Amino acid sequence: DTAVSQTPKYLVTQMGNDKSIKCEQNLGHDTMYWYKQDSKKFLKIMFSYNNKELIINETVPNRFSPKSPDKAHLNLHINSLELGDSAVYFCASSPLWGSGGGGGELFFGEGSRLTVL
Amino acid sequence: GDSVTQMEGPVTLSEEAFLTINCTYTATGYPSLFWYVQYPGEGLQLLLKATKADDKGSNKGFEATYRKETTSFHLEKGSVQVSDSAVYFCALSSNTGNQFYFGTGTSLTVIP
Repeated sequence: DTAVSQTPKYLVTQMGNDKSIKCEQNLGHDTMYWYKQDSKKFLKIMFSYNNKELIINETVPNRFSPKSPDKAHLNLHINSLELGDSAVYFCASSPLWGSGGGGGELFFGEGSRLTVL
Repeated sequence: GDSVTQMEGPVTLSEEAFLTINCTYTATGYPSLFWYVQYPGEGLQLLLKATKADDKGSNKGFEATYRKETTSFHLEKGSVQVSDSAVYFCALSSNTGNQFYFGTGTSLTVIP
């Protein structure tokens, strides 16, 4: 039973289209994240939600909009896709949040590879 | 702010060679430190972690010791295998919240 699952695993689309990536975790964690990994494997945090509330919103174009319908799900919608959006997007979850919360690890999904043509 | 600096790759080693991947960090307080591994086509998975100074994390023959005096968490393995070929990420989790900071990743290729 996959702990953090993302769909779709691969997504090929044209510039200008709108697409969504879904993420679900069955670990009972309160905190979920979206990361973007570029072709050089560099990982960049995009968003973090704690119990459905947006906690971290890094400098990301507002074409990217996260949505958390409940604490087990965090979806990512991207409008007007651009070539530079091509990357692997990882969802992750973590069991701890708040002061003194260090020690909790991140659990990653397998990634969603987005290719914009 | 908090950050992680990791040895740049790529690193290519022969099977059974000794591996060291350097990692140093900057943080206020007492962060937790992690090594994650990413095999080709997969997500990141936790390799080992240490939550306080002088702790040693170990798994699958890999080790790293949390050194507060040198702010380091170097990854070592005595004898690498072809199956260890992957990208390795050093990371820290701040103690003021669930913020994670990742290094740039080090690609390791082990040749037979």
